[in-house]
This record gives sequence, C-alpha cells and structure tokens, in this order.
Amino acid sequence: DAGVTQSPTHLIKTRGQQVTLRCSPKSGHDTVSWYQQALGQGPQFIFQYYEEEERQRGNFPDRFSGHQFPNYSSELNVNALLLGDSALYLCASTRDGSSYEQYFGPGTRLTVT
Amino acid sequence: QQQVKQSPQSLIVQKGGISIINCAYENTAFDYFPWYQQFPGKGPALLIAIRPDVSEKKEGRFTISFNKSAKQFSLHIMDSQPGDSATYFCAALQYNNNDMRFGAGTRLTVKP
Repeated sequence: DAGVTQSPTHLIKTRGQQVTLRCSPKSGHDTVSWYQQALGQGPQFIFQYYEEEERQRGNFPDRFSGHQFPNYSSELNVNALLLGDSALYLCASTRDGSSYEQYFGPGTRLTVT
Repeated sequence: QQQVKQSPQSLIVQKGGISIINCAYENTAFDYFPWYQQFPGKGPALLIAIRPDVSEKKEGRFTISFNKSAKQFSLHIMDSQPGDSATYFCAALQYNNNDMRFGAGTRLTVKP
C-alpha cells in the first residue's frame, strides 16, 4: 500500500522565481492538505483540497496556490519566491473529506537563495 | 497563530526511562488531539490520538493523558528506547475547521 508521495525531494530556487511541488495521496484518500514547516518549528497549515476545490486556507498570502486533479493528486505553487519561503513543504492526505488521521508524505525541502 | 504550546523543547532520557511531553491549548472547540513523531528527513508520522471525551488512551508503550478542565494533554513514552529518539509534535484540530494547529515540537534523545 503506497503511502503519500511527494516530488521533488529537494529544490533550490532563486528569489522571485516560481515553484511547483507535487503530491500523490495515500491509496483510498481523496483529501489533501499542504503544510509549511520551517526549521525547528511545527508544520503550519497552508490549505486543503477536496473534490478538486480549495476548501480552506491558512494564514498564507495569495502567492501560494494549489490544484487538485481528478485522481486526487495535488500541486502546490508558490510565486515570487522570498527567502522566507525556504522550508520543508509537507503534503498530508485523509479520506472522505476528513481532517482526522492525516498521513504525511516525506516532504519537499525548498531552499530559496 | 500558535494555539498549542508544547514543552519541553528538548528532552534527554535514559534507556528504559519514561519520557513525558506536555501540551496546552487555548481553543476549547478543539476536539481531536494527535501526536506525531518525526525523524530527520522524514514527514511526521501519526503516533496516537485522543478525543476530549476520554482522559487517557494507551497504545503499546505510548499513552496520552488528557485534562479537559486544565486544557492540557501529555504524551508518555514508557520504557523509552534509543529508536524513540525523534522530534515529537502535539497538535489540535477543531471539528469543521481543517486548520490543524501544531506545537513547536520536542526533540527527544534516549541515551543507551
């Protein structure tokens, strides 16, 4: 049973550039949440996708956007990268639109220089 | 932003000892309290979770104690092992609100 997968593993971008991160949810899951985890901190909720729509957003600017595809996979896009966007980006999945029992992927480490 | 406060920031325990990590929350509407374990280079893994209608939940060596009136909950790791060395996060979630709030994490080191 494949768990949550994310790609790429690591990414280095320059300030002002744009980046796209990808996530495939755990088999049987249809809901995807994205989190940002700064070094030494707990994850912070960015947004959640369910039925191909953004259902809820945390305290993140519009530079952060996403998409969910019919196969439930998801993308996180960040525009106009800032140095402060450097972090581990985590994807978590659940079933049936629930936010309980979230299963996390290994994350994508984004470094902005 | 932070609604869940976690302590201590770091913890060192001898093999076989008991590790205790504490969390306090502010929002009484939270109704789900999970604990996650994270190893370096990995995503958080769900360890154990509790609802506010019970005071304790045990799964193997891991126990959550929950005090609703004090708005506090804690993770106890019995017979701690070097393989338990990781960062532990408490979290809280409110029904119909998908913004799960995490504590800042506790770095646990279990010495052999």
